[in-house]
Amino acid sequence: AQTVTQSQPEMSVQEAETVTLSCTYDTSESDYYLFWYKQPPSRQMILVIRQEAYKQQNATENRFSVNFQKAAKSFSLKISDSQLGDAAMYFCALHRQGGSEKLVFGKGTKLTVNP
Amino acid sequence: DAGVTQSPTHLIKTRGQQVTLRCSPKSGHDTVSWYQQALGQGPQFIFQYYEEEERQRGNFPDRFSGHQFPNYSSELNVNALLLGDSALYLCASSWGAGPYNEQFFGPGTRLTVL
Repeated sequence: AQTVTQSQPEMSVQEAETVTLSCTYDTSESDYYLFWYKQPPSRQMILVIRQEAYKQQNATENRFSVNFQKAAKSFSLKISDSQLGDAAMYFCALHRQGGSEKLVFGKGTKLTVNP
Repeated sequence: DAGVTQSPTHLIKTRGQQVTLRCSPKSGHDTVSWYQQALGQGPQFIFQYYEEEERQRGNFPDRFSGHQFPNYSSELNVNALLLGDSALYLCASSWGAGPYNEQFFGPGTRLTVL
């Protein structure tokens, strides 16, 4: 079974500062994808960044970057220069290659950005 | 380009009733997945439709059923509603079913069962 654990129910950051959200996962597969999704109060889930497990290089999308540690099964999200619009629920998700075609989500981290 | 749309936005039902939720995928997408998101939880996979067939299913009882139409739109049906079915139901569409195909989510339908 695949599991995703987000150990930080809530996090806060000052505007313009940097924050890191943690995620650990468990899977017996060697080929899989990891994702961070953002869910603002409008409820619409938005893909922030994704990482293919076979790629050693950490993914980066503008102010968002990940620290992917495959051996440790860790996948953290770093948000640099935090903006008020970054406030939302953030979900880490795992999707294995082949077989079961589903995303497995963590319980989420609520991020508050203070002005 | 319209994204994923879902209807209705909100719905209130009583225990034992049946409900149908609807989803229109993003233009060009042929695969629809449904998720249940209970309050304070992450989404849980219900099932996925591709080529009008249910391809994969999560750990949900048979009370949850679905359908995909030739235009790729989809319905989620829940029979004999329980209080525990109260949740946000999310629809996601993609072109193809693999994990490399980004899933685009709709705004969800908030179902309340009284």
